Amino acid sequence: GDSVTQMEGPVTLSEEAFLTINCTYTATGYPSLFWYVQYPGEGLQLLLKATKADDKGSNKGFEATYRKETTSFHLEKGSVQVSDSAVYFCARFSGGYNKLIFGAGTRLAVHP
Amino acid sequence: EAGVAQSPRYKIIEKRQSVAFWCNPISGHATLYWYQQILGQGPKLLIQFQNNGVVDDSQLPKDRFSAERLKGVDSTLKIQPAKLEDSAVYLCASSFSGRTNEQFFGPGTRLTVL
Repeated sequence: GDSVTQMEGPVTLSEEAFLTINCTYTATGYPSLFWYVQYPGEGLQLLLKATKADDKGSNKGFEATYRKETTSFHLEKGSVQVSDSAVYFCARFSGGYNKLIFGAGTRLAVHP
Repeated sequence: EAGVAQSPRYKIIEKRQSVAFWCNPISGHATLYWYQQILGQGPKLLIQFQNNGVVDDSQLPKDRFSAERLKGVDSTLKIQPAKLEDSAVYLCASSFSGRTNEQFFGPGTRLTVL
């Protein structure tokens, strides 16, 4: 069935370091792809999305490119801040009514 | 614009007891979702409503879980009887329609079953 696999955490970085969180998805059709973020004590928020191959989603300095050839949607940020500390979830649409299938989440901790 | 509201935020119960969660979606959103998020895992869809009809409940443990959406607005999710493995965060989300639209999530209800 449809699934999403993302790199295990936690990822620990110093402020201003480069961030990559890997995400791959099962190649069933051409689903829309998403990154959600969950800050401590808060609900899930959509960070960015891409709806077709080669699309680049971007928001708050984060970027991810829909790569059909590698079935990947890796999240990147050039310079992380302490305030980026959160859990990041990769997800894809699945099925006719577009339910979300989530990866297991990757916890990011950024230290000053 | 008010977001998705959920209550209670936290609930602790003994196994075999019953519990109910409430969700009020964003006004005008036709589609409502309930997800279960077990610690260390991503959210998993339990049930999806389009207005007041169910369009996907394939992963809902129907022997103990039930959900309804009254008049296509508010929704309740019930567990009866609860098991230890039901300890999780229960997330409600809504979207304008089921197809292509962004899902907006509530803060969740953290359930602990002792």
